[in-house]
Parts: sequence; C-alpha cells; structure tokens
Amino acid sequence: KAGVTQTPRYLIKTRGQQVTLSCSPISGHRSVSWYQQTPGQGLQFLFEYFSETQRNKGNFPGRFSGRQFSNSRSEMNVSTLELGDSALYLCASSEGPDSSGNTIYFGEGSWLTVV
Amino acid sequence: QKEVEQDPGPLSVPEGAIVSLNCTYSNSAFQYFMWYRQYSRKGPELLMYTYSSGNKEDGRFTAQVDKSSKYISLFIRDSQPSDSATYLCAMSKGGSYIPTFGRGTSLIVHP
Repeated sequence: KAGVTQTPRYLIKTRGQQVTLSCSPISGHRSVSWYQQTPGQGLQFLFEYFSETQRNKGNFPGRFSGRQFSNSRSEMNVSTLELGDSALYLCASSEGPDSSGNTIYFGEGSWLTVV
Repeated sequence: QKEVEQDPGPLSVPEGAIVSLNCTYSNSAFQYFMWYRQYSRKGPELLMYTYSSGNKEDGRFTAQVDKSSKYISLFIRDSQPSDSATYLCAMSKGGSYIPTFGRGTSLIVHP
C-alpha cells in the first residue's frame, strides 16, 4: 500500500507570495492533518480534515488555510508568505474516527524556504 | 508547563549500547502513546504504538507506558549507527486524531 504522498518536496518562494502544497493520503484513509515543523517550535498542528470538513484547527493565522476533496486528497495554502513561514510542512493521514486505531502516518514533507 | 516534555538531547552512545528515551506528560486523558523516528530531512515514521499502560516489544525496540507516573519510555537494544535519528514521542486522547508531540530527542549512535 502506498504511503502518504506530498508534493512538491522542495520549493523556494519570495516574501509576499503564496504557496499551495498537496497531499495524497494512504488509500482508505479519510482523515488528513497538516503540521508545521521548525527547529525552534517542533511539530505544530495546523488543521485536520475529515470528509471534506475541517474538524480541528491549530493556533495559526488565517493566512494558513486548507481543504480536502471528495477523494480525501488535501491541499494547504499559505498566502502572503513571511520569512518565518520557512519550515517543513508535513501531511499525515489516518483511517478516521470509526476505526479502532488512533495513529497517524506522515508523508515525507514539503520543505518551504521563503526568501 | 508543556503537556508533553521530552529532553532534546543530543544523546550520544556507542554502537551496541542500550538506549533509553523518555517523555513525561501532564494530561491524564491521554490513552494512546506513540513513538516516531525521524531521519534528517525526512518525515516522521511510526515506530511503536501502545494503548494504555504496559509494555510492547518489536524487535530491538520496547515501548513502556506508566500511566500512574505519566511517563513513557522507548528502549533500543543493541543500538546501531542507523538508529541515529530524532525520536518523537506522541500521545492522544480517545477518539482524537490530533496527537500532542514532544520536541524530539536527537540520538547519535557512533561506531
């Protein structure tokens, strides 16, 4: 079974631009969550989607947004990029609330550098 | 005080040593406990998953959960240079898919 796939893996953007990152979850998984990882803050939760609905949201400004499609694939968008947005953005998938497990599985991440 | 505390290290050990990685937590509602391994410039990989208290063994890895002390551990036996990575503990409440992560412990196993 294929794992969580994230694209692009690496990207460089200029301050003020916007970026869209894509995530394909493990086949059969319906919940997708996004995390930002930086050396200073560690792993920070951005938001979680299930059945195209945002169920949970972390403490990030409105410049960070996401969505989930009917095939469970998800995208996140960051507008008006700031230097501090440089980070590894990780997507994780899980089966969903009607499963017996409670684990999430990560993709390889998208490395964003803002210059 | 953070909900999950984890010493960032680095922890440097010789090859073949037994490694002990630990996390403490404050929220008694946590029921699911996980350990992830993250190599440099890669995403975290699920290593161990435990529900409630007790031990779980998988090859050279053993996860222990002591809910009474709010303390979890990951033991690595016969450590190898390939075990050099950052180890993140994570825990979640029942019905939640939003684990709370520790900051990660950097492990270096030198030949």
